[in-house]
Amino acid sequence: NAGVMQNPRHLVRRRGQEARLRCSPMKGHSHVYWYRQLPEEGLKFMVYLQKENIIDESGMPKERFSAEFPKEGPSILRIQQVVRGDSAAYFCASSSSGRSSYEQYFGPGTRLTVT
Amino acid sequence: KNQVEQSPQSLIILEGKNCTLQCNYTVSPFSNLRWYKQDTGRGPVSLTIMTFSENTKSNGRYTATLDADTKQSSLHITASQLSDSASYICVVAVFSGGYNKLIFGAGTRLAVHP
Repeated sequence: NAGVMQNPRHLVRRRGQEARLRCSPMKGHSHVYWYRQLPEEGLKFMVYLQKENIIDESGMPKERFSAEFPKEGPSILRIQQVVRGDSAAYFCASSSSGRSSYEQYFGPGTRLTVT
Repeated sequence: KNQVEQSPQSLIILEGKNCTLQCNYTVSPFSNLRWYKQDTGRGPVSLTIMTFSENTKSNGRYTATLDADTKQSSLHITASQLSDSASYICVVAVFSGGYNKLIFGAGTRLAVHP
């Protein structure tokens, strides 16, 4: 039973390019969360999605960032026209429910470096 | 403003010794408090989850406490091992908009030396 999968594990992009980060939740999980971790800082919530729906995107920058979780396939976090400040580790987590006490299981993260 | 603060920022102990990590939070409305372990280059892994009514919970050599009145939690590690070297993150869940939103502390970086 595989855990949360993220790919790629490492991604290097030049300023102005697009970055696409993928997350496959645990089997049976329909709730996906994306977090960003800057160096030496704690994880920060970005967006919460259920299948085909964005539930809460209050932590996501209004411009250049978008997320989706289609009916089939992985969740995608897309960053357009990347800048150096986007360099961070991006973690995806999944859960079987968004309700209280339900565990969120984290993937290994994608480390984005913008040169 | 919802905040989770941890202390110390970093800690070095010798193998076999015990240690206690602290967490203070100002979060409302409180749903539950979690401790995670994050190895370098990996995602966080859950150690414990405590709700408002629980004041202690153990997971092997890890024991977490929660004082909801003073809004403080601690994580006690007994008989430390080299594999305990990691960041330990205190996370408080806020029930908002019908679901749990997680507020993360910056973590305590623990190094266990032989």
